[in-house]
Amino acid sequence: KNQVEQSPQSLIILEGKNCTLQCNYTVSPFSNLRWYKQDTGRGPVSLTIMTFSENTKSNGRYTATLDADTKQSSLHITASQLSDSASYICVVRSGNAGNMLTFGGGTRLMVKP
Amino acid sequence: DAEITQSPRHKITETGRQVTLACHQTWNHNNMFWYRQDLGHGLRLIHYSYGVHDTNKGEVSDGYSVSRSNTEDLPLTLESAASSQTSVYFCASRKGPQGDTQYFGPGTRLTVL
Repeated sequence: KNQVEQSPQSLIILEGKNCTLQCNYTVSPFSNLRWYKQDTGRGPVSLTIMTFSENTKSNGRYTATLDADTKQSSLHITASQLSDSASYICVVRSGNAGNMLTFGGGTRLMVKP
Repeated sequence: DAEITQSPRHKITETGRQVTLACHQTWNHNNMFWYRQDLGHGLRLIHYSYGVHDTNKGEVSDGYSVSRSNTEDLPLTLESAASSQTSVYFCASRKGPQGDTQYFGPGTRLTVL
């Protein structure tokens, strides 16, 4: 069964600090992996998309990495801001005929002043 | 600006009632999706549509139905609401190929008493 596991479930950091969120998946065959940011009371918004051949992709202060061999991804947030407080969801698309998405449970990040 | 909207944003209903949640997008996207989001679970796919008059069951389709009479709308109907269907429901749309970004609506919080 395709699964996406994220850690930690929740995280509290001080404003200005860096943090790294983890995503492990068992989806096979692999097509692509996205990181979404979901603010409280809002729908998820895509941050990055990575395909099999991409190891690193940045979007401002967000940097995603992908190791397709170990089926792991990480999202690194640099110089955190209060507005980074949100849930971050890892989503993996399978490469089979259905091309279905498997969603992780998310990491809830709180940035405190 | 093009957008995706959901209504109502909040709904309380009784067990056994029929409930319809609306989803409307103005991007002219062919692909539309309904998900539910519950604590302890990632987003789970309920139904999806790849075009007018096309509907498909997702991972958790029991007790739900959809219809696609035009490009812009994909209403989700709970035929006989159950307490287990208390959840936050997200609609999403995507222009075309699987690599395209899915854009999510703001969500509908449904409570079934």
